[in-house]
Amino acid sequence: GESVGLHLPTLSVQEGDNSIINCAYSNSASDYFIWYKQESGKGPQFIIDIRSNMDKRQGQRVTVLLNKTVKHLSLQIAATQPGDSAVYFCADPDPRDDKIIFGKGTRLHILP
Amino acid sequence: DTEVTQTPKHLVMGMTNKKSLKCEQHMGHRAMYWYKQKAKKPPELMFVYSYEKLSINESVPSRFSPECPNSSLLNLHLHALQPEDSALYLCASSHGSSYNSPLHFGNGTRLTVT
Repeated sequence: GESVGLHLPTLSVQEGDNSIINCAYSNSASDYFIWYKQESGKGPQFIIDIRSNMDKRQGQRVTVLLNKTVKHLSLQIAATQPGDSAVYFCADPDPRDDKIIFGKGTRLHILP
Repeated sequence: DTEVTQTPKHLVMGMTNKKSLKCEQHMGHRAMYWYKQKAKKPPELMFVYSYEKLSINESVPSRFSPECPNSSLLNLHLHALQPEDSALYLCASSHGSSYNSPLHFGNGTRLTVT
């Protein structure tokens, strides 16, 4: 995509609460979006993806919402656990080539 | 554990050294990638191999030389690096184009250039 960004660099959430991580994109031609989780000392791990013909997709404790009107993507994590502590990246593959550009990332910090 | 294996996990090298990073996947994926990640930054694309052929070089300096010996292996040869090249180097693979399928990453090689 031309630009993939995140609204908040750091998010602190109480353990057990729900987390919402937001992402904006600028390329109106984008039609595939991916969320990755990167724990300390590890590579990014695929969490969930969504195509533009969907508004919502659910996984295990995670939900991705896509609002094409405002070019906004969000990742919702239910009942946040200490193991959810990580940096979360949204990614927006460019349909013109084989490049994936990552957003800046949001660090999720879990409060006890 | 990741299905993409990178070796070594850590590497310290001098500016005159020659070293290689290795990556291996046995998922039958046809695309493989090298990314560079600096601290507190997102991964930055360096190279893409598709069906063992180099398809994308993101204007990476020639001191980095990728190689794809076969569909399961990806190497990154390093020569005459600079201290600013110190970073986490990530390998990834995907079943098809990154436009249609997610990347699977290894845990990276932490490179320090002294």
